[in-house]
Amino acid sequence: GAGVSQSPSNKVTEKGKDVELRCDPISGHTALYWYRQSLGQGLEFLIYFQGNSAPDKSGLPSDRFSAERTGGSVSTLTIQRTQQEDSAVYLCASSLEDHHSYEQYFGPGTRLTVT
Amino acid sequence: DAKTTQPNSMESNEEEPVHLPCNHSTISGTDYIHWYRQLPSQGPEYVIHGLTSNVNNRMASLAIAEDRKSSTLILHRATLRDAAVYYCILRDGETSGSRLTFGEGTQLTVNP
Repeated sequence: GAGVSQSPSNKVTEKGKDVELRCDPISGHTALYWYRQSLGQGLEFLIYFQGNSAPDKSGLPSDRFSAERTGGSVSTLTIQRTQQEDSAVYLCASSLEDHHSYEQYFGPGTRLTVT
Repeated sequence: DAKTTQPNSMESNEEEPVHLPCNHSTISGTDYIHWYRQLPSQGPEYVIHGLTSNVNNRMASLAIAEDRKSSTLILHRATLRDAAVYYCILRDGETSGSRLTFGEGTQLTVNP
């Protein structure tokens, strides 16, 4: 079946512009996670959704970052007024349920470059 | 969160077994040991997980020390496709929505 998909695969934007990154999780998966991977920081957690609500937003680095999930499916990560330090690969993962025993399936990521 | 320690890199030859170690001396009784790997230019993928007993699946085996302070991921016959960064991660079995906390991982190189 289809895995987690993300779009766009690559995004180049100018500093100060807003960007939206999209994640389509595996159908039926209730839990959805956003991570980012940058050269200096490794893989870090950003936010987690259970259904449409986000019980854990603790990883969002600043108030320029926000995310939403609608219909318990698609999620959008928005970065406002992008900065060069936002350059990274943004990874989305989904899981059947929000329980440790369920593996997380990752998408291919969106590579964001802020110039 | 309890921390894991892994070697930065390891090397293996194709078709030979590989033992990837992980230390987690501060593991709690409810922490599960998970392994993920990340192939070049891809998102991480699940490999295996366990609590106390050794585990086997089609990808690998997980050997857990009796005191649970360390574990070893075993690839029985390494292939070139197994070249990846391997992450050992602890996940709390009592809380929901448990994020994956990635460390530096071990970069595995497989020589032909």
